[in-house]
Amino acid sequence: NAGVMQNPRHLVRRRGQEARLRCSPMKGHSHVYWYRQLPEEGLKFMVYLQKENIIDESGMPKERFSAEFPKEGPSILRIQQVVRGDSAAYFCASSPSDSGIGDTQYFGPGTRLTVL
Amino acid sequence: AQSVAQPEDQVNVAEGNPLTVKCTYSVSGNPYLFWYVQYPNRGLQFLLKYITGDNLVKGSYGFEAEFNKSQTSFHLKKPSALVSDSALYFCAVRPDSSYKLIFGSGTRLLVRP
Repeated sequence: NAGVMQNPRHLVRRRGQEARLRCSPMKGHSHVYWYRQLPEEGLKFMVYLQKENIIDESGMPKERFSAEFPKEGPSILRIQQVVRGDSAAYFCASSPSDSGIGDTQYFGPGTRLTVL
Repeated sequence: AQSVAQPEDQVNVAEGNPLTVKCTYSVSGNPYLFWYVQYPNRGLQFLLKYITGDNLVKGSYGFEAEFNKSQTSFHLKKPSALVSDSALYFCAVRPDSSYKLIFGSGTRLLVRP
């Protein structure tokens, strides 16, 4: 059973470009979470999605950032007009379809975004 | 504000000695508590969690953690450290009214041969 998949693993963008990060949850999981890890810091929650629904986006910056989890295909975290401060590791996690609050979130390997 | 504290940036132990990585939290209600480990350039791997029940939780790779409600702590322990345990360890808390994990800043464990 493959774990959470993320691609690309490394992404380099110039200021002003767009970054698209993809996440495929574990098989049987339909709950997806995105977190951001700045250098030497812990992870910070960004958004929680279920299929075709954004459940909680309280950690997302108000501008330039968006997320989706379509009926078919991976979840996408999109950052428009990137700035140097967006450089970070972005981690996706998933949990089972019948998640209770206490269910474990399983993390992918992350995408390391570097903005030049 | 809800928060998780890992007071030690780094913990150094000799192989074969017991290790403890500390975690305290400030979250209302009855939160769920987790430990994850991160190896260089890798994602987080789940180690163990406390939901309810016995205060001593056993997890992967011989790790265990003790929940102490009065001290709001959830320290990670292992009786005998291995060099391969060297990694970055994160404590995380999930408030009982939320799906989001609140992470500590991480503790780097260095086990010397």
